[in-house]
Amino acid sequence: DTEVTQTPKHLVMGMTNKKSLKCEQHMGHRAMYWYKQKAKKPPELMFVYSYEKLSINESVPSRFSPECPNSSLLNLHLHALQPEDSALYLCASSQGLAGGFYNEQFFGPGTRLTVL
Amino acid sequence: QQQVKQSPQSLIVQKGGISIINCAYENTAFDYFPWYQQFPGKGPALLIAIRPDVSEKKEGRFTISFNKSAKQFSLHIMDSQPGDSATYFCAARARYNQGGKLIFGQGTELSVKP
Repeated sequence: DTEVTQTPKHLVMGMTNKKSLKCEQHMGHRAMYWYKQKAKKPPELMFVYSYEKLSINESVPSRFSPECPNSSLLNLHLHALQPEDSALYLCASSQGLAGGFYNEQFFGPGTRLTVL
Repeated sequence: QQQVKQSPQSLIVQKGGISIINCAYENTAFDYFPWYQQFPGKGPALLIAIRPDVSEKKEGRFTISFNKSAKQFSLHIMDSQPGDSATYFCAARARYNQGGKLIFGQGTELSVKP
C-alpha cells in the first residue's frame, strides 16, 4: 500500500470557524509533512513531523496548528483563517528525513480549502 | 543558492513529439533530484528521480538527463501523449538536510495536442 489518504477532499469554512484536516498513511513511514499549494505554484512546506515530533515549522501563522497523534496519522487544525489561506493542502510522507533515495516523499490527493 | 530554476513555464507539444523540461540549481550539496507530475485537482506524484553520480536514468518514456558540472538536469518525455498533459515540477534535496525539505522548481504546464 503506497497511498496517503486525506479527508475531506473539499472544505469551505468561514473566518470564525474551527475545522481540521486529516491525513493517514499505512506505509510505516516515520516522517510526515504538510504543504500548502496555491494555483499554478509549487507546494510550499509548512510543517514536518519525524517520529511524531514536530521537526520543522516554516514560520507558519498560529492559526494553523499541526498534530501527530501517532505514526500513521497527521492532523492540521484550522482556526480564524483568512481568505488568502484558501489553497490546496497536501500531506506527504517518507520513510525518514535523511537525504537519499530511500526517503522519497509520497503525496496525498490534497484537501481543497476555501475560506469565505 | 537554495533555488531550483525551471523552464519553460508552459509547453505545447504535438502527440508523438518529445517534451523537454529543464532545471538548474546552484547548491552543490543537493544529492537527490526528483520529478513530480501533477494533474489538476490531484496531489503531485513522484515520476522519476536521479542521483548526481548518474548522468541519465530512463523509466519507460521518461528520461532524466543530469549534467553535474553545469548543475542542470532535464526531463525528456518521448512519444508524448495527451494523457501526459499535466504540470511537472522538478525538485532537489540536500544530503544533510535533516528536514527532508524538497526545493521545488516553479513548474511547467505541459499540454500535448492530439
